[in-house]
Amino acid sequence: ETGVTQTPRHLVMGMTNKKSLKCEQHLGHNAMYWYKQSAKKPLELMFVYSLEERVENNSVPSRFSPECPNSSHLFLHLHTLQPEDSALYLCASSQEYGDRDYGYTFGSGTRLTVV
Amino acid sequence: GQNIDQPTEMTATEGAIVQINCTYQTSGFNGLFWYQQHAGEAPTFLSYNVLDGLEEKGRFSSFLSRSKGYSYLLLKELQMKDSASYLCAVRDSNYQLIWGAGTKLIIKP
Repeated sequence: ETGVTQTPRHLVMGMTNKKSLKCEQHLGHNAMYWYKQSAKKPLELMFVYSLEERVENNSVPSRFSPECPNSSHLFLHLHTLQPEDSALYLCASSQEYGDRDYGYTFGSGTRLTVV
Repeated sequence: GQNIDQPTEMTATEGAIVQINCTYQTSGFNGLFWYQQHAGEAPTFLSYNVLDGLEEKGRFSSFLSRSKGYSYLLLKELQMKDSASYLCAVRDSNYQLIWGAGTKLIIKP
């Protein structure tokens, strides 16, 4: 167990569906992240929450909507997605403004397929 | 722009040594990370370099030269379980992580 848990592990959804990805961290970290990982491409940062406030939104389409109700939970709400949104979505956490030597702890990801 | 370059794929033999290179061009530098990612699993932290030189951790070592914008990950006594993707990431002046596309390492018996 990594300390960062993501559900579901796999998701197939139609372009008109609405679904949510969930992330939970048990490490006491104060920053959480959503990344998109596509084959043979670098990890793309989507959203950053630090101390439960969104501090980064890298020009992500509005069909992706994040929510961070507390420091341990992070959601990514999905609606009217496109086939090119099919990818592995990774959640990560870290301790901001503290020891920066250990980078991020990642969840196992949600493999999303949009049909 | 910011850029991290690493080879797409490498092949090595069980028991051998392999070196995975990473070159970077970023706006500032606040440390370099290596992560390991097995297929279908989470990336896991391997090493962190912020000063020039070699950091050794068991079979894995990581080297950094800030003046050259260069790092490598050295894996010794390769085992089949080392087959994975290895991701290089640099923390820039804004403390953002800039990622390479990863190197897929294939270990053959």
